[in-house]
Amino acid sequence: EAQVTQNPRYLITVTGKKLTVTCSQNMNHEYMSWYRQDPGLGLRQIYYSMNVEVTDKGDVPEGYKVSRKEKRNFPLILESPSPNQTSLYFCASTGRAEAFFGQGTRLTVV
Amino acid sequence: SQELEQSPQSLIVQEGKNLTINCTSSKTLYGLYWYKQKYGEGLIFLMMLQKGGEEKSHEKITAKLDEKKQQSSLHITASQPSHAGIYLCGADYYSGNTPLVFGKGTRLSVIA
Repeated sequence: EAQVTQNPRYLITVTGKKLTVTCSQNMNHEYMSWYRQDPGLGLRQIYYSMNVEVTDKGDVPEGYKVSRKEKRNFPLILESPSPNQTSLYFCASTGRAEAFFGQGTRLTVV
Repeated sequence: SQELEQSPQSLIVQEGKNLTINCTSSKTLYGLYWYKQKYGEGLIFLMMLQKGGEEKSHEKITAKLDEKKQQSSLHITASQPSHAGIYLCGADYYSGNTPLVFGKGTRLSVIA
């Protein structure tokens, strides 16, 4: 079964405390990406990766980092989270004519 | 300006009624994805359209892509409470090598 697995589903953290949201896919897709979803703003691209060791910025990359050391994993790193990064985050894995999303991570930064 | 516009932003329909959601792109699409999302949850893939004039159906949901590949519509026949949620269209402009660009979504409520 095609799956994109994100963890954790929910996270409350304090300003400045580094965190990582993991994302894993089992479809051997080359293409993975991260989005954040905010009320009234829809889904916005943070970073994407076209293959191992190939990443690029999306529309809202500030305050985020990613890495793609292996094909199946694409973690999102917040080195010093701030309250404006409170949001619902989605990881996506894309192949030809298909794009699957993880279940989402609801992050609150206080 | 937004590349992908969805309309309407929200929709309230009575159970059993038909409805249509539109998605319009400012440039030609390589492919168009439709998703459904329950509030605060993940995106459920509905269908993907690639060819001009293409139409696909899944249960009571039908999606079409126009010949020019700039507009898609999602039609729900005989709506049910289970159809309630947010419908999102996502545009692939470059044959899958860039992230999908999303519309802001249409919030659908179905009332008894």
